[in-house]
Amino acid sequence: GQSLEQPSEVTAVEGAIVQMNCTYQTSGFYGLSWYQQHDGGAPTFLSYNALDGLEETGRFSSFLSRSDSYGYLLLQELQMKDSASYFCAVRRAGGGNKLTFGTGTQLKVEL
Amino acid sequence: NAGVTQTPKFRILKIGQSMTLQCTQDMNHNYMYWYRQDPGMGLKLIYYSVGAGITDKGEVPNGYNVSRSTTEDFPLRLELAAPSQTSVYFCASSYKGEGAEQFFGPGTRLTVL
Repeated sequence: GQSLEQPSEVTAVEGAIVQMNCTYQTSGFYGLSWYQQHDGGAPTFLSYNALDGLEETGRFSSFLSRSDSYGYLLLQELQMKDSASYFCAVRRAGGGNKLTFGTGTQLKVEL
Repeated sequence: NAGVTQTPKFRILKIGQSMTLQCTQDMNHNYMYWYRQDPGMGLKLIYYSVGAGITDKGEVPNGYNVSRSTTEDFPLRLELAAPSQTSVYFCASSYKGEGAEQFFGPGTRLTVL
């Protein structure tokens, strides 16, 4: 089976840096994706890590450690618009690029 | 490009009714997916398709059916709706590549009373 754990809520102030963690237990792990979802909206893709290490895209960075079954999403220079839910998702073995999603971390950015 | 479109946006069904949720993508993606998302939860895969004529079950397929007669369309059929199917349904599509980004439609909010 597959299971992913994420903290349910994180609060940070505008301009700060926040790290959101994801631990997973799975067989046939291929990679870890991150998606952002604003209230009432659809998920949007942020990043994908297949190999250990850090991937950076603008203010967003994502890290993966396959040996620790652990990843995190790092957001820098937080803005109010970053208030949203952030989901990690494991790419599963088998065809079709199937994803198993965690339950998400709700990020609240305060002034 | 419109991306992934879904209809309807909202629907209320009575227990035992049936309906089809429509999903269309104009990006020529091979892969398409149906997810459901319950309040405060992550997305759960219902069914997916790797190409026209090919579909397979995801994590929570019971009570649903799909078909994929064209690359563009991937409708989801609910037979004999139950209150447990009250949820937000998202359709998504992606290219075949490793870790490819999934593009999501705006969702359908379904309530079964």
